[in-house]
Amino acid sequence: DVKVTQSSRYLVKRTGEKVFLECVQDMDHENMFWYRQDPGLGLRLIYFSYDVKMKEKGDIPEGYSVSREKKERFSLILESASTNQTSMYLCASIGNEQFFGPGTRLTVL
Amino acid sequence: GDSVTQMEGPVTLSEEAFLTINCTYTATGYPSLFWYVQYPGEGLQLLLKATKADDKGSNKGFEATYRKETTSFHLEKGSVQVSDSAVYFCALSEAGGTSYGKLTFGQGTILTVHP
Repeated sequence: DVKVTQSSRYLVKRTGEKVFLECVQDMDHENMFWYRQDPGLGLRLIYFSYDVKMKEKGDIPEGYSVSREKKERFSLILESASTNQTSMYLCASIGNEQFFGPGTRLTVL
Repeated sequence: GDSVTQMEGPVTLSEEAFLTINCTYTATGYPSLFWYVQYPGEGLQLLLKATKADDKGSNKGFEATYRKETTSFHLEKGSVQVSDSAVYFCALSEAGGTSYGKLTFGQGTILTVHP
């Protein structure tokens, strides 16, 4: 019954490292999204994609990039991780129904 | 831009108490409105939705009515259970086209229900 999977539940990285967060969906959805969740701020949209090779900036794209080479996979990249990117990252895949992944809790030391 | 404001938490209730979590929104068009729930250690799940004014969304005993005149979408449940303890998020999505799914969230309300 897998819908949306994220590559890691917990991740610890050091400042300056390049970090890859992977999201895979098995529902053939075109629309995929990356959010970060912080206490008191809710979820904020980082990037989204409506098709393969397509990407658009969300509300807080600074310090992030994304890749969508295949329809089922949407990757979030932190080019040079910083401590203010310590957060919970949630991937979403949305078609007629909406599914969120379990989240990756990233800590940057 | 669009925004969603939820009542501040945390909210602590006894089992079988009545629950209300307030949500108001600001949007330029006619958005769809959603409530999501996040149980401990899990991702978000869609709880209910309403796509136009006066629609009532309902699921698992929870209800919310889309009130355009007050720009509100308050979540209610008549009798909460311990298993309802979770974080609840109100959200909106601008209507139509490829923007469906681009969600604006409130800050979340932590609900704890004691036996």
